[in-house]
Amino acid sequence: AQRVTQPEKLLSVFKGAPVELKCNYSYSGSPELFWYVQYSRQRLQLLLRHISRESIKGFTADLNKGETSFHLKKPFAQEEDSAMYYCAPFGNDMRFGAGTRLTVKP
Amino acid sequence: GAGVSQSPSNKVTEKGKDVELRCDPISGHTALYWYRQSLGQGLEFLIYFQGNSAPDKSGLPSDRFSAERTGGSVSTLTIQRTQQEDSAVYLCASSLARILGGYTFGSGTRLTVV
Repeated sequence: AQRVTQPEKLLSVFKGAPVELKCNYSYSGSPELFWYVQYSRQRLQLLLRHISRESIKGFTADLNKGETSFHLKKPFAQEEDSAMYYCAPFGNDMRFGAGTRLTVKP
Repeated sequence: GAGVSQSPSNKVTEKGKDVELRCDPISGHTALYWYRQSLGQGLEFLIYFQGNSAPDKSGLPSDRFSAERTGGSVSTLTIQRTQQEDSAVYLCASSLARILGGYTFGSGTRLTVV
């Protein structure tokens, strides 16, 4: 079955440190992938999509077909980045990754 | 509407009772999705609608769960004979089409079965 996997349930970094949230996929071809974020007591919202190659709140994600990965990166984490992050496909499969809870410590 | 609206926002029900959860998608969004988020768990896909039909119901955890969508708009998720393990936040999302864009989520219905 085609899936995305997020191997880390929890990730903790200090403020100002780089952060990378991992996402791997098992789709063939060119999947359309997104990152969603859920801040405390807020609804899930789109953070970024690979097709637009944008940077949102300092986060970027590059689709690496060789490694079948779509890792989310930020060079300098901020406390307000603490949230639950989900890697998600769009198209034939609607099953999100298990999510990674990021905690940025002061 | 401007966003995806879900009602009620909170529901407490007794074990064994039936509940209905409602989702109003963004106007014009043809695709609608239901997910479940349990404490400490990720997002569990339940069912997907394209228009009024449900091509993928594979995520429904048991035959106590059913969903329908009418007029290509509002959807209702029904849970019959609720059990304590059904307690979770039920999220609805919609998108313009399955092949375009991403999901817009509602704020969810927190269901507590006592």
